[in-house]
Amino acid sequence: KQEVTQIPAALSVPEGENLVLNCSFTDSAIYNLQWFRQDPGKGLTSLLLIQSSQREQTSGRLNASLDKSSGRSTLYIAASQPGDSATYLCAALTSGTYKYIFGTGTRLKVLA
Amino acid sequence: NAGVTQTPKFRVLKTGQSMTLLCAQDMNHEYMYWYRQDPGMGLRLIHYSVGEGTTAKGEVPDGYNVSRLKKQNFLLGLESAAPSQTSVYFCASSYTETSTDTQYFGPGTRLTVL
Repeated sequence: KQEVTQIPAALSVPEGENLVLNCSFTDSAIYNLQWFRQDPGKGLTSLLLIQSSQREQTSGRLNASLDKSSGRSTLYIAASQPGDSATYLCAALTSGTYKYIFGTGTRLKVLA
Repeated sequence: NAGVTQTPKFRVLKTGQSMTLLCAQDMNHEYMYWYRQDPGMGLRLIHYSVGEGTTAKGEVPDGYNVSRLKKQNFLLGLESAAPSQTSVYFCASSYTETSTDTQYFGPGTRLTVL
């Protein structure tokens, strides 16, 4: 059974710092892995989707990598800003099920 | 283009009461999903639909029923609410279930069962 873990659960950094959020999954047979952002009281917004055949995806200051063999994905945020404060969730689409398994998220706070 | 909308945004129920949550999407998506989000548990799939008139069970289906009578709407019903169903409920939709397609989420419904 696929399990997705995100560590740390919470993170505070000063503005301008580069940071890395971690996501690990137990079953490497995935179709894709997605990173989402969730603001308090809001729904989820897709940030980056990495297909199983890809190693990384980039969007602006965000870069997500995928290493299926080690069961890990990272979300790199460059030059963090207070507006980046939110909860970041990763989700793995497991082969054969077409259902996303979500991690519990990392709550990020960027201090001005 | 409103995307995915959910009704209501908040609701308080007493144990044993029933209610229906409505999800609507205007993107002509085939696939729709209902999740619940609980502290420390992440999002868990309750039921999903791969097209009009079809539904299937997800990870935590007990105590819930769903219907997809129209392509744009996906209803989640609680026949006899229990305190364990206190949660935030999210609806999502996607055009396909392929590896390249993302899911679009609604803003959520916060449900409290007393």
